[in-house]
Amino acid sequence: AQSVAQPEDQVNVAEGNPLTVKCTYSVSGNPYLFWYVQYPNRGLQFLLKYITGDNLVKGSYGFEAEFNKSQTSFHLKKPSALVSDSALYFCAVRQWYSSASKIIFGSGTRLSIRP
Amino acid sequence: NAGVTQTPKFQVLKTGQSMTLQCAQDMNHEYMSWYRQDPGMGLRLIHYSVGAGITDQGEVPNGYNVSRSTTEDFPLRLLSAAPSQTSVYFCASSLGGLAGASSYNEQFFGPGTRLTVL
Repeated sequence: AQSVAQPEDQVNVAEGNPLTVKCTYSVSGNPYLFWYVQYPNRGLQFLLKYITGDNLVKGSYGFEAEFNKSQTSFHLKKPSALVSDSALYFCAVRQWYSSASKIIFGSGTRLSIRP
Repeated sequence: NAGVTQTPKFQVLKTGQSMTLQCAQDMNHEYMSWYRQDPGMGLRLIHYSVGAGITDQGEVPNGYNVSRSTTEDFPLRLLSAAPSQTSVYFCASSLGGLAGASSYNEQFFGPGTRLTVL
């Protein structure tokens, strides 16, 4: 069965420092990987996705993610964190089945950026 | 475009009551889905639909029913509410349905419904 793991419940980073939010996946076949962000009392917003091609994917708000097939990882990164990046981040994987796709979310990582 | 809308924003039910959570989208998306969000468990898929008249179960379908009579609407029905159904519910939609494009298209989420069952 496909699954997604976010090993860290919380990540704390000082403003201006680089940040990484980790995600590993387990699927059979080609994975379609996504990152979403959730601000307090809001729905999820799409950040970026990996479908195929270049392993480094650039997304919204200066975020990027690196797809590593050998390590089955899709870590989210940003070179310089902002206090406004503080939010809940979800990794997700979609896989095509016989009649539709299903999407599985990780448990989420709370990112806290201190001034 | 309004995107994905959900009503109500908040709801309190007593055990055994039934209700319907409404979800609508105006983006002509074929794929729609319902999730529940519980602390420490991320989002779990309840039901999904790849187009009008087609629905299927997700990870946690028990106690919930769905139907998809139009492309725009995807209501979620709680048949007999239980305290275990206290959660925040999100509806989402994306392009692509049976054609498979839903696999690589991002989802658009509604603002959520916070449900408490006493």
